[in-house]
Amino acid sequence: GENVEQHPSTLSVQEGDSAVIKCTYSDSASNYFPWYKQELGKGPQLIIDIRSNVGEKKDQRIAVTLNKTAKHFSLHITETQPEDSAVYFCAAPTNAGKSTFGDGTTLTVKP
Amino acid sequence: DARVTQTPRHKVTEMGQEVTMRCQPILGHNTVFWYRQTMMQGLELLAYFRNRAPLDDSGMPKDRFSAEMPDATLATLKIQPSEPRDSAVYFCASGLYGTGLSGNTIYFGEGSWLTVV
Repeated sequence: GENVEQHPSTLSVQEGDSAVIKCTYSDSASNYFPWYKQELGKGPQLIIDIRSNVGEKKDQRIAVTLNKTAKHFSLHITETQPEDSAVYFCAAPTNAGKSTFGDGTTLTVKP
Repeated sequence: DARVTQTPRHKVTEMGQEVTMRCQPILGHNTVFWYRQTMMQGLELLAYFRNRAPLDDSGMPKDRFSAEMPDATLATLKIQPSEPRDSAVYFCASGLYGTGLSGNTIYFGEGSWLTVV
């Protein structure tokens, strides 16, 4: 089955700094890579995703990069704000649509 | 706004009791997932369905857990008998699979917070 590894497990940054979270996956057939943000007491919500036909996608302060050869993808948050503090999850669904998630990264943005 | 609806939001029960959690997926979605999360980390996949048929329930303890989809608008996760180690948040998620580039995004409900004492 698909194996997704996510690093780091915790990340603390100063407000205004950048944050980067990385994931690696094992199934070379995976072609869709979403990132989810989970705030306290809520379910994970999709914040950005990328498909294998592009190498980078941006949406305001967040971006995702994909390296299919190395089988890893990363979430980049620039100009971090306190409201970015949350748990972030990556996923690499299999071609059968089975969604396995990384273990999560707890991001803390200090004012 | 279309969303995944889960009930109950919170449940406290005594060890040995039966617990049933319900999920209404987004209308038109053909894939439903059940995840378990403890300590605000790790989404453990318990089971998932496509077009109401179970595709994979290898993550679910079979002796006490069962998952079903009686119809396209309802998925259930049952624990009988419940144990304190089952205390966790149980998330249901749904998605539309098999539509080329538009597939594989899944949407989560707000979770059912279960405490077994």
